[in-house]
Amino acid sequence: GAVVSQHPSRVICKSGTSVKIECRSLDFQATTMFWYRQFPKQSLMLMATSNEGSKATYEQGVEKDKFLINHASLTLSTLTVTSAHPEDSSFYICSARGQGASSYNEQFFGPGTRLTVL
Amino acid sequence: DAKTTQPPSMDCAEGRAANLPCNHSTISGNEYVYWYRQIHSQGPQYIIHGLKNNETNEMASLIITEDRKSSTLILPHATLRDTAVYYCIVRQPSGTYKYIFGTGTRLKVLA
Repeated sequence: GAVVSQHPSRVICKSGTSVKIECRSLDFQATTMFWYRQFPKQSLMLMATSNEGSKATYEQGVEKDKFLINHASLTLSTLTVTSAHPEDSSFYICSARGQGASSYNEQFFGPGTRLTVL
Repeated sequence: DAKTTQPPSMDCAEGRAANLPCNHSTISGNEYVYWYRQIHSQGPQYIIHGLKNNETNEMASLIITEDRKSSTLILPHATLRDTAVYYCIVRQPSGTYKYIFGTGTRLKVLA
């Protein structure tokens, strides 16, 4: 139980285009989802927290107009990187917590999406 | 800022116990300690968590000091597949329960 999937696993796009990444909780209802970014040989950096049906809360320094987050249902959140540039190339990871996943509120992580912007 | 500090790297011989320390000296009374690991290019995997008491599951044991300012994750018989980056996280006790990752410990299990 408590499986989180991400799609796509890998994406390459041209500079200036937008890319959407999906995060799904497969066997539980995710009341809260989190989006992280990880650069090579670095730790995970929390970008934003989203609760189903409400606006995401972004961490300091993360541009909300560039990284659009939608958490429209209890099993799906999307991250859209708008007007992507090479410096946005990174490993994006989502996680989820919620009803049915655990009684201790731990987060379950997706496998990650590697974005390369040319 | 992360509320935990860990050594950047450790080596362990295959079959031996791996003991990974974590310092969380500013932890408050109702914050949990969580451990995750991340194998290269994958999402973090949950290992174990605790509040005050020592904990054990099929993957590992967690020893928390009495003052709760530090903890140790123990992998009793390390295998090559345990090579990963291990993160110790202090979780917010309420609200969004968000995690702030520190730099982690890169464990290398040697044959």
